[in-house]
Amino acid sequence: DTAVSQTPKYLVTQMGNDKSIKCEQNLGHDTMYWYKQDSKKFLKIMFSYNNKELIINETVPNRFSPKSPDKAHLNLHINSLELGDSAVYFCASSPLGLAGGPGYFGPGTRLTVT
Amino acid sequence: GNSVTQMEGPVTLSEEAFLTINCTYTATGYPSLFWYVQYPGEGLQLLLKATKADDKGSNKGFEATYRKETTSFHLEKGSVQVSDSAVYFCALVSGGGADGLTFGKGTHLIIQP
Repeated sequence: DTAVSQTPKYLVTQMGNDKSIKCEQNLGHDTMYWYKQDSKKFLKIMFSYNNKELIINETVPNRFSPKSPDKAHLNLHINSLELGDSAVYFCASSPLGLAGGPGYFGPGTRLTVT
Repeated sequence: GNSVTQMEGPVTLSEEAFLTINCTYTATGYPSLFWYVQYPGEGLQLLLKATKADDKGSNKGFEATYRKETTSFHLEKGSVQVSDSAVYFCALVSGGGADGLTFGKGTHLIIQP
């Protein structure tokens, strides 16, 4: 069974479009995250949710909006996509919040904006 | 602010060689330290961690010791295999998470047969 799953795995779209990435975890964890990995492999946390409540919102454009319908899901919606949004986006979850570390990662969604 | 510095890659070794990937950090207080591994096309996996000074994390033949006096958490393995080829990330969490999470830039390791 996949612990943290994301869909889609690949997403190619044009500038200006709106897209969503879905994430689900079946580990029963209270905390979920979104991370962005750029083309140089640099990783940065974007958002952290604990029990559906936003805990961390790093400096990201407000075109990015996370939505958590329940504890097991954390989706990422991106409006008005820009070229610089091209990256791999990872969802993760953890039982203890960041105190336990960056979490269990999903396989990633490679977003390409053309 | 917090920071994590890793040696630049790629690091290329022959199979069965000894591996060291350096990681040093700056942080307030007493951070928890982690090593993550990313295989091609996959997400990150926790490799090992240490939560206090002098702790040694170990897993799959890899080890790292939390050295507060040198603010380091170097990753070592006695004999690497081709299957260890991946990108390795050092990370820290400080303030129990309240002060955030910081990743190093990653070190690409290539093991040649």
